[in-house]
This record gives sequence, structure tokens and C-alpha cells, in this order.
Amino acid sequence: EPEVTQTPSHQVTQMGQEVILRCVPISNHLYFYWYRQILGQKVEFLVSFYNNEISEKSEIFDDQFSVERPDGSNFTLKIRSTKLEDSAMYFCASSVGGQGFYEQYFGPGTRLTVT
Amino acid sequence: GQQLNQSPQSMFIQEGEDVSMNCTSSSIFNTWLWYKQEPGEGPVLLIALYKAGELTSNGRLTAQFGITRKDSFLNISASIPSDVGIYFCAGYVKAAGNKLTFGGGTRVLVKP
Repeated sequence: EPEVTQTPSHQVTQMGQEVILRCVPISNHLYFYWYRQILGQKVEFLVSFYNNEISEKSEIFDDQFSVERPDGSNFTLKIRSTKLEDSAMYFCASSVGGQGFYEQYFGPGTRLTVT
Repeated sequence: GQQLNQSPQSMFIQEGEDVSMNCTSSSIFNTWLWYKQEPGEGPVLLIALYKAGELTSNGRLTAQFGITRKDSFLNISASIPSDVGIYFCAGYVKAAGNKLTFGGGTRVLVKP
């Protein structure tokens, strides 16, 4: 069964460093998303992406964050200058569109630890 | 913004029991989804609900979209040890765009 994959599974970085989290959405999906989950808390929406542009973003997704679909398969989240409070699990998700638009499928996540 | 409140926050199950959890909001939702998350994993989609009153099953799981569109419940019948995990409800409000709002989760644990 096709699935969303994410790399790396765990990233440790120092405060102020840039990180890029990578995702390969399900191949026929058209809508892509990033969410984050701080330890023990609920999953929070960051950004949605369709047709090579951001379609929606939350207040969390400030100027330090950016997303890109550099080729036909990858979808990346970049944090320009990491802060301690960026430590969280970051999940990529995708949905097919049309009738399946609302059904988002999540990857296994990248645990980001900022020290 | 929209908030989803899940209850209970945690529950213990005994093998063979039926269990129930729910999700409520003060806002109307157009679509409800139920996910299960196990430690160190991403949320796995269990059931999607699209119409008020809709009752949908997936194996031993049954979920309903409340008539008021402000709530949903999930039942697990004849629970087994691998049902352990955190169950999240999530919803869409069309007017709020294409983002999912998640509830705080119900942690299901096995009775010692």
C-alpha cells in the first residue's frame, strides 16, 4: 500500500541552524501538508500546498518557515533559524483531491530536537 | 479558531470490552476524521465521515457524525491489546480552508 515517507526520522540541531525536513507524499496525491506535534500535545496544522504554491498557513508558520516541492516527488519544510521551541515531531501529509480531498494520510514523522 | 474537545482524555480497556470516546465542538464541522497514533508513529486514518448522521464502520471500529454537526463518537467493539494508542478526532470546516483541526486525543491503555 502506498505511504508517505519522511527523512530523517530524527534530526538534532543547534539553535540558530537551518534544517530541512524531507517528505515523499503518495505519488498520485495533489495536496501536501506539514503539521507539528509538540511532545504530549495535539497535532497542529502548519501549512498546505497545492499546485506549487502555499494555499493556507497557520500563525505558527512565520517567516522562519518555508516549503518547497523541488521536483516531482519531494516536498520539503525548511526552518531557517531554529529556536528551542521548534523542538517537536513534524508530520508531512498528503491527500489525493477530488472525492478524497479531506482524507489526509500522514507520514511517520521527523523528530526535531533543537539544543 | 475551531476547537475540538475529546473525552475521556484517557481510558483503560479490558480485552473483549466495548469502549466509546467522543469529540465535541462549539463550531459546526463539515467533515470528521478519526486517527490512531502509536508511540513514535504518525497518525493513521481510521474512518472519515462526511454527512450529519452518517454511521461508518471499519472492522471493529464504528464512528458517527453527530446530527448537530458539532460532535462525533468512535466505538471500539471487543477490544484487543493492540487497540492501545492515542485516538484523535480531526475535522474540517469548509469556511476555514483545507486544514485539519485536531482534538487533544484519547489515550487508550490496557487494564493491568
